[in-house]
Amino acid sequence: AQKITQTQPGMFVQEKEAVTLDCTYDTSDQSYGLFWYKQPSSGEMIFLIYQGSYDEQNATEGRYSLNFQKARKSANLVISASQLGDSAMYFCAMRGSQGGSEKLVFGKGTKLTVNP
Amino acid sequence: NAGVMQNPRHLVRRRGQEARLRCSPMKGHSHVYWYRQLPEEGLKFMVYLQKENIIDESGMPKERFSAEFPKEGPSILRIQQVVRGDSAAYFCASSPSGTDNEKLFFGSGTQLSVL
Repeated sequence: AQKITQTQPGMFVQEKEAVTLDCTYDTSDQSYGLFWYKQPSSGEMIFLIYQGSYDEQNATEGRYSLNFQKARKSANLVISASQLGDSAMYFCAMRGSQGGSEKLVFGKGTKLTVNP
Repeated sequence: NAGVMQNPRHLVRRRGQEARLRCSPMKGHSHVYWYRQLPEEGLKFMVYLQKENIIDESGMPKERFSAEFPKEGPSILRIQQVVRGDSAAYFCASSPSGTDNEKLFFGSGTQLSVL
């Protein structure tokens, strides 16, 4: 079965510094996608970044980058130059085709707090 | 292009009543997913539907819960005879296809409170 593990329940970072949120995954699929979503206190789920299992380059989207290490099955999110508005829950997720169902499987999340 | 629309935003029900949650996917999206989120937890998959078909309901409780996505109209998640443990945020998501490189677009969720 597919599984996402986020080992950091909470993280703190100073404004303008970089922070890495950890994510490891487990799957038997050869082809899969890895996603990060942000959930602010208002509750909506905001897509941040995507990495395909066959992508050789690490994905980047503005201040977000994904440190993809396929052999280690890790897909850490790096946020550079943190801003106060980055304070939120962050969820790592994976989408594969195991069992014919392309559902997105989520980790338990990391609560990021950015301090001024 | 409107996003995924969920209504109501908040729903209050007494124990034993029925809850009906609606989701209109983004235009052009034929794949709909329902997730449940308990406080301080991640999103748990419930069901995956395409038009008129349930593709994967492995996350749905065996009793009281049902979902549909008719040919016309929104997807409906129905919870019969609600209990306090059903209180949660229910999110709907859609995608244009079921491939693993497609992100899911989420609605704002329905917060269900059971008194």
